[in-house]
Order: sequence, then C-alpha cells, then structure tokens
Amino acid sequence: RKEVEQDPGPFNVPEGATVAFNCTYSNSASQSFFWYRQDCRKEPKLLMSVYSSGNEDGRFTAQLNRASQYISLLIRDSKLSDSATYLCVVSREGNKLVFGAGTILRVKS
Amino acid sequence: DGGITQSPKYLFRKEGQNVTLSCEQNLNHDAMYWYRQDPGQGLRLIYYSQIVNDFQKGDIAEGYSVSREKKESFPLTVTSAQKNPTAFYLCASSTNRLRSSEQYFGPGTRLTVT
Repeated sequence: RKEVEQDPGPFNVPEGATVAFNCTYSNSASQSFFWYRQDCRKEPKLLMSVYSSGNEDGRFTAQLNRASQYISLLIRDSKLSDSATYLCVVSREGNKLVFGAGTILRVKS
Repeated sequence: DGGITQSPKYLFRKEGQNVTLSCEQNLNHDAMYWYRQDPGQGLRLIYYSQIVNDFQKGDIAEGYSVSREKKESFPLTVTSAQKNPTAFYLCASSTNRLRSSEQYFGPGTRLTVT
C-alpha cells in the first residue's frame, strides 16, 4: 500500500465550478500535512498547510480527518489558472515528507 | 531575493559518466533535501541533510552521493552506478530540522542520460 494515495484524475471542470480532491495516508503517526501545487514541468509550490481544525485560504479549504487518515482540498469558483497537479503531502519520522503522485485538475472556459 | 537555485536547468550526459547537480539556498535553512520525480510518480527522497557536515540516505540513495560542507550548498552527484538516472531532480530546504515543516523547492534540473 502506498504511504499517500491520491486519485490521479484528471478532473475536468468548467470555470466557476467547485471541485474537491481527497487523499488517504497510511502512517497514523504523521503530524504535519500539506497541499502543494505543481505546474507542468515546474517545481512543487506550497499551497497550504492542513490543520486539525481545518483551514481556509481564499477559495481554498483544506480538511484533515485523523481518525480516517484522510485529507481533502476544496477549490471554489475555479479559475483557468487553477489548472495544475495538486500534491498531497504527509510527514514522516524526523523531518521528512512523503509526496502523493498528485491529482491533475484542468479548468476549462 | 531569498530562494533556492539549481543549475543547470537541463543536463545531458552519456551513460557511464558521473554528473554533479548544484543546489544553493540563501534562506538560512538548516535542512536540505534531494528528490527525483519520474512521470506519473510522486517525489522520491534521495538524500537529506539536517545540519552541515551530516547527511542521511533517503529511500532511493543507491547510485547517488552528496556533500554538505556549507549550510548554503548541497550538491548531488549522480554516479554511473545509478541504473535509471534520467529524471527531474528537485532540491528543497526547510527551516526546522527537528520536526516536519514545509519544504521549499528550487526550479529543478532535468537530467537526460543516453
């Protein structure tokens, strides 16, 4: 079983749509959780950290369910510029992170 | 501007040659990391360093070597022993070496070995 699992997609949505991505992780001892965004042939960039209480940053909302070992990312009012691959990232022992393979989002006009 | 630089952006080598990828950061971060990314796969950790003059193997260290002589620099050597060296190589750094914290990435180096 992979340490972090994501639906690879692609998710094809129209502009203005709401879209949600999910991610499951296997290590119950993980303490830190993140969503990164990666554009084609570029480096990953931190989108947001995920806190136990959930957090929101503009159109983006992240949720963590420790009991189910599940993380979600909700994007409201999708823009063309949101098209990218979204990486779910979970901490490991020490100062290491484990990256999911990513979910592809395509927003179309 | 603070950031992480990697050079070169593209690198082409013949099989059997060693090649060194550069990674420099001016963020004053303690920890630095090397990952490789292959199509359709998540990033895989090659080596990491939490402090100068110390580094640890990641999940796929075979065929690679690193050094950490300065806080700012963490070069990666891809040796001829690495079976499938063609990949996108990403260097990252983070502030806190004692617990997991977000990592920031350089622009990456695309290595092609033929």
